[in-house]
Amino acid sequence: EVQLVQSGAEVKKPGESLKISCKGSGYTFTNYWIGWVRQMPGKGLEWMGIIYPGDSDTRYSPSFQGQVTISADKSISTAYLQWNSLKTSDTAMYYCALGGYNWFDPWGQGTLVTVSS
Amino acid sequence: EIVLTQSPGTLSLSPGERATLSCRASQSVSSSYLAWYQQKPGQAPRLLIYNAFSRATGIPDRFSGSGSGTDFTLTISRLEPEDFAVYYCQHYGSSPRTFGQGTKVEIK
Repeated sequence: EVQLVQSGAEVKKPGESLKISCKGSGYTFTNYWIGWVRQMPGKGLEWMGIIYPGDSDTRYSPSFQGQVTISADKSISTAYLQWNSLKTSDTAMYYCALGGYNWFDPWGQGTLVTVSS
Repeated sequence: EIVLTQSPGTLSLSPGERATLSCRASQSVSSSYLAWYQQKPGQAPRLLIYNAFSRATGIPDRFSGSGSGTDFTLTISRLEPEDFAVYYCQHYGSSPRTFGQGTKVEIK
């Protein structure tokens, strides 16, 4: 069974850094794109970016380019979403999902990030 | 960037009724590269339809997708209690990929 398991909820202060993770299992990690989607409180889904772990090819939405970094460690089948300096507006649920070059399926359970002073 | 506009924002229906959800693109979506997702409160989204009309694995046949170009539709033939949720469309025909803003299907 293909599964994506995300790291737990985080509470951070503005200006702090953060890296959340998404571990894939049940498939060959290097052979499929994996992506990240943001959902701000009470809002819709936003396509952030994707990475192909096989060669680390990474694509970002213009809205998120330069704001976050997507990476992957194929030795442990894990993708990451990273911020260098969080803002309160980064408060959201973040989902990883398999695919993204086309559709996303399946999805991880989500990681809630809360940024508050 | 292709903007996807979903309508209506909210659809109030009773179990057993037919639901018709619209997703309109600001430009033509190449090769009907459009997906539909369902999201229930407190849950991650779930893929329903890809390539505009292909049902994902395990999705009941009461869900169907249609359309091409700039106009796409998700139809739920007879609403079951578990179908009341928010539905999103997403295109992947060009970069950047984008989602629609969602349609909430609520119990009347």
